[in-house]
Amino acid sequence: NAGVTQTPKFQVLKTGQSMTLQCAQDMNHEYMSWYRQDPGMGLRLIHYSVGAGITDQGEVPNGYNVSRSTTEDFPLRLLSAAPSQTSVYFCASSRETGELFFGEGSRLTVL
Amino acid sequence: GESVGLHLPTLSVQEGDNSIINCAYSNSASDYFIWYKQESGKGPQFIIDIRSNMDKRQGQRVTVLLNKTVKHLSLQIAATQPGDSAVYFCAERETGGFKTIFGAGTRLFVKA
Repeated sequence: NAGVTQTPKFQVLKTGQSMTLQCAQDMNHEYMSWYRQDPGMGLRLIHYSVGAGITDQGEVPNGYNVSRSTTEDFPLRLLSAAPSQTSVYFCASSRETGELFFGEGSRLTVL
Repeated sequence: GESVGLHLPTLSVQEGDNSIINCAYSNSASDYFIWYKQESGKGPQFIIDIRSNMDKRQGQRVTVLLNKTVKHLSLQIAATQPGDSAVYFCAERETGGFKTIFGAGTRLFVKA
């Protein structure tokens, strides 16, 4: 099993550009989520999903969109990138109960 | 909103000593607590968890203690090794909920 796979690992954007961070898991987990981690900080929840077709906002959802068309995939879209969105983004999945399994992160820089 | 926080941002210990990392939480509705370890450049990894119907749980070299009265969580690492150097996060989840909220983290340095 690959676990949680995130792509790309690194990305540089200009202000105003849009992009999608991809996340896929092969563990048949119902729950998936996106976090951002700023330097020296903890993880803040952006959006999460409890199953295909169901998404909800986390702590810092503004500027991000998500969708969950399949159990496996949970992409995160930045509609118009801003320098404040420079961060490391982590995708995670879990069963309904239990711990989160994280991807290796996607490092985004917005100029 | 509810939050999970930590008392100490950094902790430095001698190799072979025991480490204790503390965490305070404020959401009394939380019933599931998890400790994660994050090494540089990697995603967080699960260490140990505990549910609110327990006050202690032991793993390999790690123990988690939960005090619901004062909303306090701690992670104890026995015989700390250089490989334990990392940032440690506590996290909480509400009863019947799916959101996992993280604390700010504690960086553990292990001196040889």
